[in-house]
Amino acid sequence: GDSVTQMEGPVTLSEEAFLTINCTYTATGYPSLFWYVQYPGEGLQLLLKATKADDKGSNKGFEATYRKETTSFHLEKGSVQVSDSAVYFCALSDHGGATNKLIFGTGTLLAVQP
Amino acid sequence: DAGVIQSPRHEVTEMGQEVTLRCKPISGHDYLFWYRQTMMRGLELLIYFNNNVPIDDSGMPEDRFSAKMPNASFSTLKIQPSEPRDSAVYFCASSLGQGIANEKLFFGSGTQLSVL
Repeated sequence: GDSVTQMEGPVTLSEEAFLTINCTYTATGYPSLFWYVQYPGEGLQLLLKATKADDKGSNKGFEATYRKETTSFHLEKGSVQVSDSAVYFCALSDHGGATNKLIFGTGTLLAVQP
Repeated sequence: DAGVIQSPRHEVTEMGQEVTLRCKPISGHDYLFWYRQTMMRGLELLIYFNNNVPIDDSGMPEDRFSAKMPNASFSTLKIQPSEPRDSAVYFCASSLGQGIANEKLFFGSGTQLSVL
């Protein structure tokens, strides 16, 4: 079945460092891809999405490009801030069923130190 | 809109007790999802509803778990009897509908369940 694999955390960076969180997926069709973020004590919220190959999703300085050839959707940010500390989830939509049925990776904890 | 509302925020109970988690989705959303989050397994989909009807409950761990959606504004997830391995954060999420434009899920703040 469809699945998402993320790099394990925690990822610990200093403020203003460059961030990459790797995400690869397995899917039989052409799913939409997502990054969700979970701040401490809160529910997940959508960070960005891409719906087809070569699309780039971006929000709040974060970017990810839908790479069909490598089945990847890596999250990047050029300069992280302490306020970016959170858990980041990569996800895909299960087009075999409801298009809004999302399959999530296990999450990657990002800790940014001042 | 207040967003997806879950209650309680925290629940501590003893093994064998019945636990009921509650969720109020965003008004007008046709889909409701229950997810469970643990360190070991990450975020798992337990069940989802479309227009109050359960569509896929293949993620429900076992018969001790049950979920209902008696109307468009309320859903419950019940565990009876509860066990320590049920300890997790349970999230409810809702979505407007199907199609690429409606794939975004809106999550509640979760219920932290501890079964002693």
